[in-house]
Amino acid sequence: KQEVTQIPAALSVPEGENLVLNCSFTDSAIYNLQWFRQDPGKGLTSLLLIQSSQREQTSGRLNASLDKSSGRSTLYIAASQPGDSATYLCAVPSTNKLIFGTGTLLAVQP
Amino acid sequence: NAGVTQTPKFQVLKTGQSMTLQCAQDMNHEYMSWYRQDPGMGLRLIHYSVGAGITDQGEVPNGYNVSRSTTEDFPLRLLSAAPSQTSVYFCASSWDRRETQYFGPGTRLLVL
Repeated sequence: KQEVTQIPAALSVPEGENLVLNCSFTDSAIYNLQWFRQDPGKGLTSLLLIQSSQREQTSGRLNASLDKSSGRSTLYIAASQPGDSATYLCAVPSTNKLIFGTGTLLAVQP
Repeated sequence: NAGVTQTPKFQVLKTGQSMTLQCAQDMNHEYMSWYRQDPGMGLRLIHYSVGAGITDQGEVPNGYNVSRSTTEDFPLRLLSAAPSQTSVYFCASSWDRRETQYFGPGTRLLVL
């Protein structure tokens, strides 16, 4: 059974820092991995989708990497801003649903 | 494109009442799904649909009904509301269940 975990559960950094969020999955036979952000009281916004054949995917200040063999993905955020404060979730598709990670609550202090 | 829209944004129900949560998308996506999000439980799949006329159960379907008469709409019906159904409900759509999922803004439901 696929399990997805994220560490740390919470992270607080000063503005301008580069940071890394981690996502681990137990079954390496994934089709792809998706990163989302969720602002308080809002829905999920898709940030990046990285295919199983890819090693990296970039969008602006965000860079997602994938290492299937080790069951890990990282989301790198460069030059963090207060507007990046949100909960970040990773997810992998299963038979009929997405399996979500436990989430990382990020606070970027001005 | 409006993307995925959900109505209402917030609803209060009394135990035993029924209601329909609306979900619509304008991206011509075949796959649509409903999740509920609860503290400490994460997101759990309620029902999903792979196209008009085709629906199936997720991991927590009890107490909920769905139908998919058009590609655009995927309403979720609460048959007889219970306090345990107090939650935030999200609708999502995509070209395929494995591809980028687009989520709606959610409906906050409180059952008294």
